[in-house]
Amino acid sequence: DIQMTQSPSSLSASVGDRVTITCRASQSISNYLNWYQQKPGQAPKLLIYDASSLQSGVPSRFSGSASGTDFILTICSLQPEDSATYYCQQSHTAPLTFGQGTRLEIK
Amino acid sequence: EVQLVQSGPEVKKPGESLKISCKGSGNSFTNYWIGWVRQMPGKGLEWMGIIYPGDSDTRYSPSLQGQVTISADKSISTAYLQWSGVRASDTAMYYCARPRETGSSHAGFDIWGQGTMVTVSS
Repeated sequence: DIQMTQSPSSLSASVGDRVTITCRASQSISNYLNWYQQKPGQAPKLLIYDASSLQSGVPSRFSGSASGTDFILTICSLQPEDSATYYCQQSHTAPLTFGQGTRLEIK
Repeated sequence: EVQLVQSGPEVKKPGESLKISCKGSGNSFTNYWIGWVRQMPGKGLEWMGIIYPGDSDTRYSPSLQGQVTISADKSISTAYLQWSGVRASDTAMYYCARPRETGSSHAGFDIWGQGTMVTVSS
C-alpha cells in the first residue's frame, strides 16, 4: 500500500493567518492527490483534487501544490469556519489511502 | 442534486450479521463507482473498497478483504456493505461516497452519504 504521511498532526492559528499542511507519499503518485476537510459530526468534504484543482464551491483561499512526492494544502486568510481536520488521499493506486489527518484549531 | 442516503445506526452483538445500505438519487447511479470509507471513533479515514453498480466490478482494500462484502443492486440504485459476523473492532462510522468522475474508481470523492454508525457490543 502507498503510505501517506501528513504533517503536522495538529496546529493552531489565528484568523487571517496563512497555514500550510504537508502530505508526503511513500512513492510516486503523479498528481493523484486529493484534500478533504472534515468538521465534527460531518462527512468529509472534497476541497482539492488532482493536487491543485479547486473543487467547485470551495473558497479560493484554499489551494494545493505539489513537488515530487510532497503535496501542500495552503489556506490563506484563515477564517473561523476553517476549524476542522484535514486529510490527504492518494488516488493513484488502490487501496486509495488517506493521511492520518491534521487538526486545525483557530485561536 | 445528487445525494447518497445511508441507512440508520445499528447496534449489534458480536457474531451477528449486518448489512448497511447507501441509496443514490438521480438516474446516473450506474455510471459512477461507489466507495466505502471507515472511520473508527476518534480516528482517521480508511478506504475500504469500491464497486461499480453497472457491472458489480468490486475492489477491496487488502487489509479488509474477506472481512466485509460490498455489493450493489442497480435496479434500486443502492450499494451495500455487509458482514457475516461483526466484531467489536467493527465499531465505526461508515460512509459511502461517489468519485467526482463518471466511470472512474480513482477520482476524489465529491458526494458523500451522511454516514452510518455501527456499534458492536456484547
